[in-house]
Amino acid sequence: KQEVTQIPAALSVPEGENLVLNCSFTDSAIYNLQWFRQDPGKGLTSLLLIQSSQREQTSGRLNASLDKSSGRSTLYIAASQPGDSATYLCAAEAGSYQLTFGKGTKLSVIP
Amino acid sequence: GAGVSQSPSNKVTEKGKDVELRCDPISGHTALYWYRQSLGQGLEFLIYFQGNSAPDKSGLPSDRFSAERTGGSVSTLTIQRTQQEDSAVYLCASSLYVAGNTEAFFGQGTRLTVV
Repeated sequence: KQEVTQIPAALSVPEGENLVLNCSFTDSAIYNLQWFRQDPGKGLTSLLLIQSSQREQTSGRLNASLDKSSGRSTLYIAASQPGDSATYLCAAEAGSYQLTFGKGTKLSVIP
Repeated sequence: GAGVSQSPSNKVTEKGKDVELRCDPISGHTALYWYRQSLGQGLEFLIYFQGNSAPDKSGLPSDRFSAERTGGSVSTLTIQRTQQEDSAVYLCASSLYVAGNTEAFFGQGTRLTVV
């Protein structure tokens, strides 16, 4: 059974800092890895999708990497802004269409 | 539509009553998913539809839960005889689910409170 872990559970950084969020998964035979953002009381917003054949994806200040062999993915946020404050979730799909989610990292960017 | 739409956004119901939650996926998306997010918990998979068929219902917590999808579009999740432990945010997602494009897009969720 796939298990996804996100560390740290919470992170507070000053505005402008670069930061890395970590995601690990137990079953390396994943089909893709997706990162989401969730604001309080809201649904999930898709940030980046990395397919199993890819090693990284970039969108603006966000860069996500995937290392299947080690069962890890990282989300890099450059030049953080207060508007980046949210909970970040990673989810792994192991070819069974079902996404297995981590419990998220709650990010606070302090002005 | 432009995004996944869920209704109602909030629902308060009395214990023992039935509720229906609706999901309108992105137009053209063949795959539709229901997840549940309980306070302090991660997202829990409930059910998946490909077209109108539900190949996997294994995530439904009990036989009080059922879901259907009609016309390959709108889906409803029904909870019968609601219990307090059913209180959660119910999230719906859709995707094209074709080779090379399995990105899932989520709605804003329905917050269900059973009193």
